[in-house]
Amino acid sequence: ENVLTQSPATLSLSPGERATLSCRASQSVSSYLAWYQQKPGQAPRLLIYDASNRATGIPARFSGSGSGTDFTLTISSLEPEDFAVYYCQQRTGTFGGGTKVEIK
Amino acid sequence: EVQLVQSGAEVKKPGESLKLSCKASGYSFPNYWIGWVRQMPGKGLEWMGIIYPVDSDTRYSPSFQGQVTISADKSISTAYLQWSSLKASDTAMYYCATQIGYSFYYWGQGTLVTVSS
Repeated sequence: ENVLTQSPATLSLSPGERATLSCRASQSVSSYLAWYQQKPGQAPRLLIYDASNRATGIPARFSGSGSGTDFTLTISSLEPEDFAVYYCQQRTGTFGGGTKVEIK
Repeated sequence: EVQLVQSGAEVKKPGESLKLSCKASGYSFPNYWIGWVRQMPGKGLEWMGIIYPVDSDTRYSPSFQGQVTISADKSISTAYLQWSSLKASDTAMYYCATQIGYSFYYWGQGTLVTVSS
């Protein structure tokens, strides 16, 4: 089973700061990695697919990079609505454990 | 507009059966994989499995194989998740989601299942 490890578990930042989230796969997933955002009480929302493509309606401050086993989600300047939990997912379905981005 | 509308919250006793539904609209239902995701209270997302409605090809996570059944009725654009005998550990929020490429692009609103004696 291909395990996805997200780090850090929690990221404490202030609005306007840059957030860098990591997702590492135990085996290569090529570029087939997605990122999701989940806010309390809401369903997850797709942000990035195929490692670096923004889903429809996702602001440009969200960007994804990486291939193989190492991937990064970057939020260039945090807005108040960006404080949430972020998950990565690889193509055969497995999700990472999540990174919570909280207000410092 | 793509919509996935899930059935309402359920409260069940251990040993009971249950079937959740997820009705899709706004796209060609038979031609896209649709899957189910579990989220236990306060925990992360777990991929349960997916189905391709056009031929009912179904894939399960090893963790859920034999524990649940995923099915679909393409005539009414609806996917299902069912249990034959619930356990307290099945208490969770369950989401359906449509896969485009290798990502869950569209999500239902979730169905909360509570299993308690």
